[in-house]
Amino acid sequence: QSVLTQPPSVSGAPGQRVTISCTGSSSNIGAGYDVHWYQQLPGTAPKLLIYGNNNRPSGVPDRFSGSKSGTSASLAITGLQAEDEADYYCQSYDSSLAGVFGGGTKLTVL
Amino acid sequence: EVQLVESGGGLVQPGGSLRLSCAASGFTFSSYWMHWVRQAPGKGLVWVSRINSDGTSTSYADSVKGRFTISRDYAKKTLYLQMNSLRAEDTAVYYCARDLEGYCSGASCYSDRSYFDYWGQGTLVTVSS
Repeated sequence: QSVLTQPPSVSGAPGQRVTISCTGSSSNIGAGYDVHWYQQLPGTAPKLLIYGNNNRPSGVPDRFSGSKSGTSASLAITGLQAEDEADYYCQSYDSSLAGVFGGGTKLTVL
Repeated sequence: EVQLVESGGGLVQPGGSLRLSCAASGFTFSSYWMHWVRQAPGKGLVWVSRINSDGTSTSYADSVKGRFTISRDYAKKTLYLQMNSLRAEDTAVYYCARDLEGYCSGASCYSDRSYFDYWGQGTLVTVSS
């Protein structure tokens, strides 16, 4: 059971917009800690996608965006492409547990 | 180019030991906090341990506390994870990752702003008889 809750799966057709939620509590996201997102393509290591709630590292397309409100955060992907099919993880900090990850969301491009 | 290359994984019996290594290159190793994160087969990411930039502060997940030890060698630019008393539930791919935002203030160190901007390719540890 992960401290941060993500939907197990989401799907969308090419060109569509999808969002992935990450729900926490008052001891992590709600306490003001930043949320970060990672993309893990099949058989590869995770890659930083969004840091500090809504910042993209160099090289990450602007189709990816993040937001945070209250005890939750979201990752939005617009203009969905086949290459976006991957697992996505949110990460934050919990005052009792140090670094914590969400359980991961598998994105399927239909 | 930043590179992190893990090694040392393999098959070990329950109760056994293993030492993982993570060779770093392409950046000033001594300036960054480093972490280990693991992923059991078909499961999600789980934070395991971290060490601050000068090696004076370490932290562990409760599940490995007292059994795992993180350390770093600056001359070799290598991060280590010594794993003792291994259990079946330690079976996972172990990733090392670089942390941009860990910091210390006075005698205390904090990872509340930490995130992982570079990851290694991972090394598989299998604990089984």
